[in-house]
Parts: sequence; structure tokens; C-alpha cells
Amino acid sequence: LAKTTQPISMDSYEGQEVNITCSHNNIATNDYITWYQQFPSQGPRFIIQGYKTKVTNEVASLFIPADRKSSTLSLPRVSLSDTAVYYCLVGDGASGGSYIPTFGRGTSLIVHP
Amino acid sequence: GAVVSQHPSWVICKSGTSVKIECRSLDFQATTMFWYRQFPKQSLMLMATSNEGSKATYEQGVEKDKFLINHASLTLSTLTVTSAHPEDSSFYICSGLAGGPGETQYFGPGTRLLVL
Repeated sequence: LAKTTQPISMDSYEGQEVNITCSHNNIATNDYITWYQQFPSQGPRFIIQGYKTKVTNEVASLFIPADRKSSTLSLPRVSLSDTAVYYCLVGDGASGGSYIPTFGRGTSLIVHP
Repeated sequence: GAVVSQHPSWVICKSGTSVKIECRSLDFQATTMFWYRQFPKQSLMLMATSNEGSKATYEQGVEKDKFLINHASLTLSTLTVTSAHPEDSSFYICSGLAGGPGETQYFGPGTRLLVL
């Protein structure tokens, strides 16, 4: 079961790029890395998922080094609406009954004007 | 992305009553759904794994007789909080596993339960 470690909080300003790193030293071979965004009183929203190297979509990029023991979520040009808690989740959902998704404490990102 | 709905979005009930929360995958079939509980300023805590057509698997410390889970179809799972007490007041969130290599979880909007 891969345990994740993230900074508890981060501050940024509008228009800046924000990078949030997640450590997952005991990631398994078949595990994927998924990032979620959560606003207060809402369910988490899927941001991006990757297995290795770099993945980019319309809202974020995900960088995964070769050893896969960490990953970095990159949010380009953040706005006030990006203020939220960000979680990284590591696991293999296709593993059936052995998949137990475990959320860490997440990173509370505050974007200032 | 895939869409998951929950109903109701919030509920207030008296102590001792039972409350049922529905979780539906609207545009995909979810063989597996998860139920989480989240207290204020805390992370999501997995309560149980719900598999279509079989009994749910509960995490340690979660009373299976108090939190009844039924996953009767590939698009519907229900969580019933039986004989609710004020300490059961929380934010309950479900998710469904969608297909693909990483079997991504997609989450519902959550249900706020307040037990008086």
C-alpha cells in the first residue's frame, strides 16, 4: 500500500505557476498516480493521471521521474478559483479486491490576488 | 470525465432514525464503488468497498451493521446509516471506478448528514 506525503499547505499569487510534489517511496510496479482537487463541501474532482514521464492535459501537467518515487503536479498560471485542497493518490484500481485507495492529508493551496 | 451523482445532497434527521444515501454512475458502469467519510478540515477516510452483486468490504473500525451498503446494479450503490446518532454527522462521498489502464476513481458531489 503506497503511502503518500505532500506539503500541508502552499501559497501562491494569481498568474504564477504552482508545483505540488508528492512523495510515494513504496509505489508498486502497477500503480498509477492520480491527482484530485477538492473544494469545501464538494467531492474530489479528477485532475490528471499518469504512470511515468510526463502527462499534460488542458488544466495541468504531471511530471514523474524515472524511479517513480515522487510526482509533481504543475498548475500553470493559477487563478483565485484554484484555491483548493489537492490530493495525490497512488494505486492500481485494476487490481481488484486488493485496491484500497488511501488518501493522504493533501495540500491546501491558497492563491492570493 | 465520468459523472457520479449522489442523492440527497444534504439531510437532517433525528437521532435514532435511518438515512439512505444513493450513489449513481451516470455515464459508465462501476463494478466497484467506494464510500468515504470526511470530517471538517480532514482528509477522506475510506469506509468500505462496494462490489456489484457481492457483500461490501468494510475498513477496520467501520461497523458493518450500522453502515449498510448495497450494490445491486452496475450503476447504483446505496449507503444506509442505521440508527443514526450525532457522532455520525459528517460528509459522505462515494466514488466509482471507471475503466482504463489506471481504473480512475470518479467522485460524487457528497452528502452532508446532520443528526440532531
